[in-house]
Amino acid sequence: DVKVTQSSRYLVKRTGEKVFLECVQDMDHENMFWYRQDPGLGLRLIYFSYDVKMKEKGDIPEGYSVSREKKERFSLILESASTNQTSMYLCASSHQREGYNEQFFGPGTRLTVL
Amino acid sequence: SQKIEQNSEALNIQEGKTATLTCNYTNYSPAYLQWYRQDPGRGPVFLLLIRENEKEKRKERLKVTFDTTLKQSLFHITASQPADSATYLCALGHAGNMLTFGGGTRLMVKP
Repeated sequence: DVKVTQSSRYLVKRTGEKVFLECVQDMDHENMFWYRQDPGLGLRLIYFSYDVKMKEKGDIPEGYSVSREKKERFSLILESASTNQTSMYLCASSHQREGYNEQFFGPGTRLTVL
Repeated sequence: SQKIEQNSEALNIQEGKTATLTCNYTNYSPAYLQWYRQDPGRGPVFLLLIRENEKEKRKERLKVTFDTTLKQSLFHITASQPADSATYLCALGHAGNMLTFGGGTRLMVKP
């Protein structure tokens, strides 16, 4: 059974803390994604990686960075957490076949920044 | 600017009826479109993909249509069941394996 796992389901942090969210996939997918999901705004892409050490900015990269040192692992970093980063964070992965790339999602991390 | 619209209001239907959800888009020329299901507190799950040169796709009780002239996709669930209650997301695919998601429509199927 294919799987995308995320390090935490729920996380509470304080303003200014550095936050690491980790995602691991076991499907040997080339592409990995980080989204955030907010009521009324839907899923918005933060960052995207198509290969180890490669990354592309999504629609809302400000305040975030990412790291992909191994193919199966993609980390999202909040350098200095702020209350407006309270959200549901979803990781996804897909193959790199153009036009066939359904995305497989993890269960999500609900982050609260106090 | 690019825009994807799904009905933000919940759709309530009776068990056994056909549910029809709409996805409209502007300022896009997607190569394909996908539909996902999302249950509360969980990540979306892929359901169906339809390409720009396809008019209709079926999978069991699911049917998707794609009208590139109207810039619209319709998602149908026939013989709906309470277990079909969830939020359904459409996503437009474009170059570079990227997807842009709509806000989703919540479907409630009542017994």
